[in-house]
Amino acid sequence: GAGVSQSPSNKVTEKGKDVELRCDPISGHTALYWYRQSLGQGLEFLIYFQGNSAPDKSGLPSDRFSAERTGGSVSTLTIQRTQQEDSAVYLCASSSLGRPTDTQYFGPGTRLTVL
Amino acid sequence: AQSVTQPDIHITVSEGASLELRCNYSYGATPYLFWYVQSPGQGLQLLLKYFSGDTLVQGIKGFEAEFKRSQSSFNLRKPSVHWSDAAEYFCAVRGQWGNTPLVFGKGTRLSVIA
Repeated sequence: GAGVSQSPSNKVTEKGKDVELRCDPISGHTALYWYRQSLGQGLEFLIYFQGNSAPDKSGLPSDRFSAERTGGSVSTLTIQRTQQEDSAVYLCASSSLGRPTDTQYFGPGTRLTVL
Repeated sequence: AQSVTQPDIHITVSEGASLELRCNYSYGATPYLFWYVQSPGQGLQLLLKYFSGDTLVQGIKGFEAEFKRSQSSFNLRKPSVHWSDAAEYFCAVRGQWGNTPLVFGKGTRLSVIA
């Protein structure tokens, strides 16, 4: 693929339901990041995967949030028991090796609305 | 703590006019600096980045930015704005060592009028 892809593009759910958001990084990129973009909070880092290393989960806002990355490629961000404050655009990015100088390429995002 | 301030929430400029978007950062050491642009419904696209060396960096779409260490600033400029430049612009910083995430400012929305 040419770039980072995310699915679904939009997700509407009811409060208390679980949701899964998917990210397909650029082929060959070993580093993958999740960010959240919400009104008032701007863009916030959530979690970072680098190769086979343990992920950096320091940005996850609560234990309702989790993410995994299977086979070093596709990643899924799961939000359990969604709350209205979880409504935001969730952005995924990937970079070739995760070095500080590597460009992070962003996907178009998944807009999550919790009713 | 690391932080990025973009003082202008919304700026309106006339097509053909010059543009400067402000960015100030607070960081323990000199970070790596970035400007991203986000068009409606799109992901973020990197405009330019500064790592070291010449403090005036050139980017895509005719943008440039100047790093001023003494002012902890990294302002984005364009000599002549086009209507297609209307978008949201984000300044971001990242540490030079380790796997630190990007820290973003809250963005500046640019409107372009005829």
